[in-house]
Amino acid sequence: EDQVTQSPEALRLQEGESSSLNCSYTVSGLRGLFWYRQDPGKGPEFLFTLYSAGEEKEKERLKATLTKKESFLHITAPKPEDSATYLCAVQGEGYQKVTFGIGTKLQVIP
Amino acid sequence: DGGITQSPKYLFRKEGQNVTLSCEQNLNHDAMYWYRQDPGQGLRLIYYSQIVNDFQKGDIAEGYSVSREKKESFPLTVTSAQKNPTAFYLCATGGYNEQFFGPGTRLTVL
Repeated sequence: EDQVTQSPEALRLQEGESSSLNCSYTVSGLRGLFWYRQDPGKGPEFLFTLYSAGEEKEKERLKATLTKKESFLHITAPKPEDSATYLCAVQGEGYQKVTFGIGTKLQVIP
Repeated sequence: DGGITQSPKYLFRKEGQNVTLSCEQNLNHDAMYWYRQDPGQGLRLIYYSQIVNDFQKGDIAEGYSVSREKKESFPLTVTSAQKNPTAFYLCATGGYNEQFFGPGTRLTVL
């Protein structure tokens, strides 16, 4: 059974203080690993898909990386508007089901 | 304007009543999904459909039913058999590279 574990559960940063969120996963043949941002009371917003170990993707202050066992979401010089819950999910080969982690709630303080 | 719409945004139900949540998409995606989100838990898959007139149970299908008569629509019925239906419900569509989420419906049982 596919599993996704995210850490930490919550993270509080000062504005400009860079950090990383972790997503550890087990899956039978990785089709894709996804990162989403979710604001309170809203649906998740797609950020990145990573397909193979060594792959990296960037979007503004966010950079996602992937190894065979985990993915990191690096946040460089965060701003208060980056405050949200960040969700990680995996999809295995050969089927449509996507397994989600609980998420990391990020708070960036001015 | 392409995307996914869910209605209503808020829904209140009395115990013993069935309610239907709407999900419509104009992204021309074959696959559609229903998830449930509870505090402190990851998104849990209720049902998914890869093609019109076909759907499969997810991890927590008991007490729910769906139909897929049109590519654009995937309504979810929460039946009286669902013992703890109060939650945030999210509809998603996707191809193989990512899933796109609707804005969600918050269901509260009175």
